[in-house]
Amino acid sequence: QKEVEQDPGPLSVPEGAIVSLNCTYSNSAFQYFMWYRQYSRKGPELLMYTYSSGNKEDGRFTAQVDKSSKYISLFIRDSQPSDSATYLCAMSAKGFQKLVFGTGTRLLVSP
Amino acid sequence: DAGVTQSPTHLIKTRGQQVTLRCSPKSGHDTVSWYQQALGQGPQFIFQYYEEEERQRGNFPDRFSGHQFPNYSSELNVNALLLGDSALYLCASSPDSMNTEAFFGQGTRLTVV
Repeated sequence: QKEVEQDPGPLSVPEGAIVSLNCTYSNSAFQYFMWYRQYSRKGPELLMYTYSSGNKEDGRFTAQVDKSSKYISLFIRDSQPSDSATYLCAMSAKGFQKLVFGTGTRLLVSP
Repeated sequence: DAGVTQSPTHLIKTRGQQVTLRCSPKSGHDTVSWYQQALGQGPQFIFQYYEEEERQRGNFPDRFSGHQFPNYSSELNVNALLLGDSALYLCASSPDSMNTEAFFGQGTRLTVV
């Protein structure tokens, strides 16, 4: 069993839709949770960073962490075609030492 | 600020050869981590360097080695290349003193033929 599970998709939505992306994990030591966006053949770009449980909002993006269920989510409001990319969840037990990534979910937003 | 820079961007090598990839961290960052990302997969942690020492290592064979220089830049070396080493190699930098964001470079795409 992988430490971090993420549905690879693709997830196809129309422009303007609310997108929900999720990851589950098995290691209860994880305390730091991140979402990265990766365009094709580019490096990952950090979108959201959350410590422990709770919600964090930044513009159209909201990250949620439920440590009791070992479940994290990223919501994208008013999705745009430019949001089409692969979204990677990542987590670590201590700061940014050894990030453990999910496989990534490919998101396609159609005009 | 140039961010994290990696070189070269693309590389083609033959099985059995050796390769060196280079990374310059973001200004003010002293910790460098290397990841391997196979096609369709998430990045896998190779190792992390801090104060010119390997601080943590993932599940990669000894063919993978690295180095960090006094200016915090880093190299990843892979010996005896295998076809399975073909991947995007990513470098990430962060400031060790704070639990803040890790920034990734654009990566080096290595193809082993």
